[in-house]
Amino acid sequence: GDSVTQMEGPVTLSEEAFLTINCTYTATGYPSLFWYVQYPGEGLQLLLKATKADDKGSNKGFEATYRKETTSFHLEKGSVQVSDSAVYFCALNMEYGNKLVFGAGTILRVKS
Amino acid sequence: NAGVTQTPKFQVLKTGQSMTLQCAQDMNHEYMSWYRQDPGMGLRLIHYSVGAGITDQGEVPNGYNVSRSTTEDFPLRLLSAAPSQTSVYFCASSYSALGSYEQYFGPGTRLTVT
Repeated sequence: GDSVTQMEGPVTLSEEAFLTINCTYTATGYPSLFWYVQYPGEGLQLLLKATKADDKGSNKGFEATYRKETTSFHLEKGSVQVSDSAVYFCALNMEYGNKLVFGAGTILRVKS
Repeated sequence: NAGVTQTPKFQVLKTGQSMTLQCAQDMNHEYMSWYRQDPGMGLRLIHYSVGAGITDQGEVPNGYNVSRSTTEDFPLRLLSAAPSQTSVYFCASSYSALGSYEQYFGPGTRLTVT
């Protein structure tokens, strides 16, 4: 079945460091790909998305490029802030009915 | 626009008790879903609905029932609570627009079964 694999955390960075969170997927067709963020005590918010190969999603300084050849959708940010501390989820969707398949989540901690 | 709302925020049940988690959305979305979040496992789909009167099972449906009598509401019923159902539950709604299927999540219900 369809699945998403994310790098394990927690990831601990100093403020202004470069961030990469790896995400790879397995799917039988051509999924849409998403990154969601969950701040402490809150629900999930969509961070960015890409719907076809070579699309780049971007938002709030975060970027991810849909790489069909490597089945990847890695999340990057050039300079993280303490306020970016959260749990980040990679997810895919390819079926009628909007059934998201999530990775396990990666905890990001940014220290000042 | 309130978006997706869930009640209650917190709930403690004893094993064997039943209860209903409420979910409502005011965005006229046709799709609604229930997920549970457990540490190290991400979110897993319990049940989903593609419109009023239509529901189907997700990845982990056992022990839960749903119904969708209106577009706005999608309650999740625990028939006989078990400690394995201790989790955080999220409701989500979405619409299809250019195939991207963006989902909007509620704030969650933290359930503890003792």
